[in-house]
Amino acid sequence: DSGVTQTPKHLITATGQRVTLRCSPRSGDLSVYWYQQSLDQGLQFLIQYYNGEERAKGNILERFSAQQFPDLHSELNLSSLELGDSALYFCASSVEGLGGASSYNEQFFGPGTRLTVL
Amino acid sequence: AQSVTQLDSQVPVFEEAPVELRCNYSSSVSVYLFWYVQYPNQGLQLLLKYLSGSTLVKGINGFEAEFNKSQTSFHLRKPSVHISDTAEYFCAVSSYNFNKFYFGSGTKLNVKP
Repeated sequence: DSGVTQTPKHLITATGQRVTLRCSPRSGDLSVYWYQQSLDQGLQFLIQYYNGEERAKGNILERFSAQQFPDLHSELNLSSLELGDSALYFCASSVEGLGGASSYNEQFFGPGTRLTVL
Repeated sequence: AQSVTQLDSQVPVFEEAPVELRCNYSSSVSVYLFWYVQYPNQGLQLLLKYLSGSTLVKGINGFEAEFNKSQTSFHLRKPSVHISDTAEYFCAVSSYNFNKFYFGSGTKLNVKP
């Protein structure tokens, strides 16, 4: 158990709908990262938040958005869902470092939310 | 920009045999390198990492990897695999401030009895 929790475990919805995925980081971790794992795209970094602020962006679609709340949990919102959005969505958390080998902090991954769009 | 290539999508191997999972990266700047393992229906778990120093890195579960800057490789090895090593393995590269991780496409290791 990594200490990162994600809800729900599974989500089945229809095209055009909107869903919200939730992530609670490990106690004390200030950074949250979202990843998408699909069969055709592999594992892709979507976005990072640090202490409530967006820190880095990856291959995140405009239909997707995220936020991190004062209690440090994060939500990933996916709207206008398409069949191709079906994937496993992972959240990870870490204690943010300032950069460089001496400040590395491991990312701990949650178990993921499996989204199926029908 | 960074990218990672894992040439082998699947590697079948018999129990107690050695295994090498290949990873090559490309980057215009210094990077940090990682191997993660994903067991069925689970999240990713860090196996080992290269940040600096010795190019031979030892990780959990008897795995090790060697950073080769001239060949831009970071191959993962284990001298004797177990059935329990059956999983998917991902090589990843990170930027200097660990803001972005780029993962390879993964290699499925299938250990047969």
